[in-house]
Amino acid sequence: DIQMTQSPSSLSAYVGDRVTITCRASQGIRNDLGWFQQQTGKAPKRFIYAASTLESGVPSRFSGSASGTEFTLTISSLQPEDFATYYCLQHNSYPWTFGQGTKLEIK
Amino acid sequence: EVQLVESGGGLVQPGGSLRLSCAASGFRFSGYALSWVRQAPGKGLEWVSGISGSGDSTYYADSVKGRFTISRDNSRNTLYLQMSSLRAEDTAVYHCVLYGRINFESWGQGTLVTVSS
Repeated sequence: DIQMTQSPSSLSAYVGDRVTITCRASQGIRNDLGWFQQQTGKAPKRFIYAASTLESGVPSRFSGSASGTEFTLTISSLQPEDFATYYCLQHNSYPWTFGQGTKLEIK
Repeated sequence: EVQLVESGGGLVQPGGSLRLSCAASGFRFSGYALSWVRQAPGKGLEWVSGISGSGDSTYYADSVKGRFTISRDNSRNTLYLQMSSLRAEDTAVYHCVLYGRINFESWGQGTLVTVSS
């Protein structure tokens, strides 16, 4: 099974900060990775598809990148509505696996 | 508009069984693989099971293999998850998920399963 190691598990930042969240796969997954945002009490929503493609309506301050088995979600300038929990998901092979999640909090 | 509506959750004793359903609309149901994803209270997301569009191929997380069975009825546009030998650690909100290509992804609101005596 493919393991997804996500870091950090939590992150405190100010509005306007640039933040980066990383997921590392235990083996190659091509670009078969999505990034999800989950607001408290709501179902997750995919923000990024295929490692770097933004879903329609997602602000351009979000970006995704990949280098080998390391995947990165970057928010260039945090806005109040961005404070949430973020997860990566690999769907290259079954069983699919999520990262452990990163809770992004306001400092 | 894609809609996924889960039902069937509830309180069940350890060792018991429960069947979840997910009624789908707004897309060609038989054309897409679907998954169940769960989230225990205060915890992260866990992919549980997946099924191909035809229903011929099924997949499971190690944590539920041999206890849960995923299936679908393409004539009724409905996805199922039969859960047996339930344990306390299966307590979670269970979501039905369509993970399609770009701009084609949807989650149901979830149904809560509580395993407790």
